[in-house]
Amino acid sequence: NAGVTQTPKFRVLKTGQSMTLLCAQDMNHEYMYWYRQDPGMGLRLIHYSVGEGTTAKGEVPDGYNVSRLKKQNFLLGLESAAPSQTSVYFCASSLRDITSNQPQHFGDGTRLSIL
Amino acid sequence: RKEVEQDPGPFNVPEGATVAFNCTYSNSASQSFFWYRQDCRKEPKLLMSVYSSGNEDGRFTAQLNRASQYISLLIRDSKLSDSATYLCVVTHLDTGRRALTFGSGTRLQVQP
Repeated sequence: NAGVTQTPKFRVLKTGQSMTLLCAQDMNHEYMYWYRQDPGMGLRLIHYSVGEGTTAKGEVPDGYNVSRLKKQNFLLGLESAAPSQTSVYFCASSLRDITSNQPQHFGDGTRLSIL
Repeated sequence: RKEVEQDPGPFNVPEGATVAFNCTYSNSASQSFFWYRQDCRKEPKLLMSVYSSGNEDGRFTAQLNRASQYISLLIRDSKLSDSATYLCVVTHLDTGRRALTFGSGTRLQVQP
């Protein structure tokens, strides 16, 4: 029962480096989301996708890009990492829209440190 | 003012105690409400949805007051395993953009 799988689980980057976080779900969910969680601030939505080939901005999209080329995968890219992007990143998916009382299923997170 | 506010705690309670958490939200157009549980260094997991009429799941009871814009979670007969951070989550549509806002969480520590 894989559910939502995030890779990598940990990563340390230098300022200016780029990287891609991968999220894969095997539940055939239409909706996928990327969040970041910082101490004392709760989870904040970065980008989300309502289906294959579509993406949209969330609350804190600056400095990130996303792609949803396949329904089961949602990629989060950092083109030029900055120390302010040090955080724990969570991917989530849901069967239907978040406003429809459908729960989100989360991956177990990626801890990213930018030096 | 934060869109979703929670008392960060920690709430330190003995086993068997009843504890209540409140959460207030600022957007009157909010549509869906949830409580999630997050263990230390783990992902959030859905605890329960919150319905207008209130709902109960075992030892957990959730209430929604739309007029006052707050949500509550009551835990009866606390267990050591209830120790976690409880996240209040509110969703709404904002000029066509879906928005899901998490509170920063209330930490509960149940002590033997």
